[in-house]
Amino acid sequence: GQNIDQPTEMTATEGAIVQINCTYQTSGFNGLFWYQQHAGEAPTFLSYNVLDGLEEKGRFSSFLSRSKGYSYLLLKELQMKDSASYLCVCLDSNYQLIWGAGTKLIIKP
Amino acid sequence: ETGVTQTPRHLVMGMTNKKSLKCEQHLGHNAMYWYKQSAKKPLELMFVYSLEERVENNSVPSRFSPECPNSSHLFLHLHTLQPEDSALYLCASSQRPGGSGANVLTFGAGSRLTVL
Repeated sequence: GQNIDQPTEMTATEGAIVQINCTYQTSGFNGLFWYQQHAGEAPTFLSYNVLDGLEEKGRFSSFLSRSKGYSYLLLKELQMKDSASYLCVCLDSNYQLIWGAGTKLIIKP
Repeated sequence: ETGVTQTPRHLVMGMTNKKSLKCEQHLGHNAMYWYKQSAKKPLELMFVYSLEERVENNSVPSRFSPECPNSSHLFLHLHTLQPEDSALYLCASSQRPGGSGANVLTFGAGSRLTVL
């Protein structure tokens, strides 16, 4: 079957760096998304990776290793507003979205 | 208004009630989706519409009935629901159906449904 694994919850300190990992097993692979979802709000697109390597967007970076079935989202200089759930999503061989259950990130002062 | 708007934001209903969720997108997208989000579970795709035609129905119980009168509006009609149907129902839109790096989903904030 198809499966996305990511930690249920993580805690980090304001100003620090946190890495949220995601491993996947899918029927084929056509890319991986990260979405951010604040409590009670819409999920919003953060990043898309289809090739191996690191993509940087300001304080957020996303990494992909296709051979390892692994991705991570790196958040630097954490701010209180980064407290949210982070959803890892894969595109399988049929271009269907396979969703992870999300990682709830708690930022403490 | 811009983006994807869902109403109502919160809904409480009894098992014998009939209610509807509404979604409206102002992005000029041609595909619209209903997802169910339960606590600590992955998003579950329920329905996909492309240019008002249903293109996917993921074995959703008949007590959920979608309607897409035009490419900007999507409804989810609810009747004789069960308590386990309590969840956040998310609407999304994209340029066209199917996923890709160039076809990112834009979500609404969701309708929080509680079935008593």
